[in-house]
Amino acid sequence: QKEVEQDPGPLSVPEGAIVSLNCTYSNSAFQYFMWYRQYSRKGPELLMYTYSSGNKEDGRFTAQVDKSSKYISLFIRDSQPSDSATYLCAMRGATSGTYKYIFGTGTRLKVLA
Amino acid sequence: GAGVSQSPSNKVTEKGKDVELRCDPISGHTALYWYRQSLGQGLEFLIYFQGNSAPDKSGLPSDRFSAERTGGSVSTLTIQRTQQEDSAVYLCASSSKAGGGETQYFGPGTRLLVL
Repeated sequence: QKEVEQDPGPLSVPEGAIVSLNCTYSNSAFQYFMWYRQYSRKGPELLMYTYSSGNKEDGRFTAQVDKSSKYISLFIRDSQPSDSATYLCAMRGATSGTYKYIFGTGTRLKVLA
Repeated sequence: GAGVSQSPSNKVTEKGKDVELRCDPISGHTALYWYRQSLGQGLEFLIYFQGNSAPDKSGLPSDRFSAERTGGSVSTLTIQRTQQEDSAVYLCASSSKAGGGETQYFGPGTRLLVL
């Protein structure tokens, strides 16, 4: 079993829809949770970062962390064709010197105009 | 300002040849990571450099892989005697400090194809 599981998709939605992207993980030591967006033939770029449990909102994006269920989500409101990309979750522990990020496989999202 | 750059953007090589991949991090960033991204796989950690500390090489898949970082800036990932399973996108990322959930800035990657 992988430490981080993510549905690879593709996920196709109409423009304006609310998109829900999710990852599950097995390591209870993970404390930092990130979502990256990766356009085709580009490097990933950080979208959202949260520490421990809770919600974080930034514009149309909301990140949620449920540590009790070992489950994280990224919601995209009013999705746009420009949101079409691969979304990767990443996480790591918080102990001193812990810098290795464990990435999910990524979910490919297509927003149809 | 300039982001992370990588060269070459694409590399096609024959099985058994050596290849060198280059990463130019953002100026002043002390932490540098190399990752490998294969089709259907997540980013696989390869190696981590932080300042003048000894690098963490624990992610390198075999002794054919090595990396160095000269002067705390440019890094080179070398793959010796390439195999077809080495075909992947190799991504470099830099950040301003280790840990703390800081932003990693990724380069565009080098697409390696081993024939």
